[in-house]
Amino acid sequence: DIQMTQSPSTLSASVGDRVTITCRASQSISNWLAWCQQKPGKAPKFLIYKASTLEAGVPSRFSGSGSGTEFTLTISSLQPDDFATYYCQQYNSYPYTFGQGTKVEIK
Amino acid sequence: QVRLVQSGAEVKKPGSSVKVSCQASGGTFSTYAISWVRQAPGQGLEWMGMIIPIFGTANYAQKFQGRVTLVADESSSTAFMELSSLRSEDTAVYYCARVFGIADYESTSYTAHAFDIWGQGTMVTVSS
Repeated sequence: DIQMTQSPSTLSASVGDRVTITCRASQSISNWLAWCQQKPGKAPKFLIYKASTLEAGVPSRFSGSGSGTEFTLTISSLQPDDFATYYCQQYNSYPYTFGQGTKVEIK
Repeated sequence: QVRLVQSGAEVKKPGSSVKVSCQASGGTFSTYAISWVRQAPGQGLEWMGMIIPIFGTANYAQKFQGRVTLVADESSSTAFMELSSLRSEDTAVYYCARVFGIADYESTSYTAHAFDIWGQGTMVTVSS
């Protein structure tokens, strides 16, 4: 199975900060990577697919980059609605594994 | 606008089975696949498997092989996840998610390109 490792596990930031989350795959997954956001008690919401393509309706302050084994999710200017947990998921090969999550907290 | 609507919460005894449904409201499965993911209390997301309704085929995570069955009924645009031999560690919220991809009718394979919609989740509690 492909292992997905996110860093950091927790991130404390303030509104307006630029935030970057890293996701590393244990082997190359090309650009078959998705990012999703989850708030407490809610279903996840997909933000990005194919490493860098924004889902419809996702604010442009979110961006994704990377290919192969290293990927990043960047929030250019953190907003109050962005405090949540973020997961990466590879879908290059079965099983479609998730990272362990990165919780973005208010500083 | 298509929504994925899941069945309601379940409480089950250890050793029993649970069947969770996921219906595409306002649309059909068309060429989409349906992925199933679970989340134990306070834990991260865990991928369980994916059903490709147009082929009737499914792929499962090794961890759940033999205990989980994914099926789909195209006529009602409903996917089902059945998990058997339940134990307390299966207590979790179970989600379905729609997968957009490209189907190869010759090999009956499916290449996922994007995920877009999640169901609202179904809480399954396993307790004696």
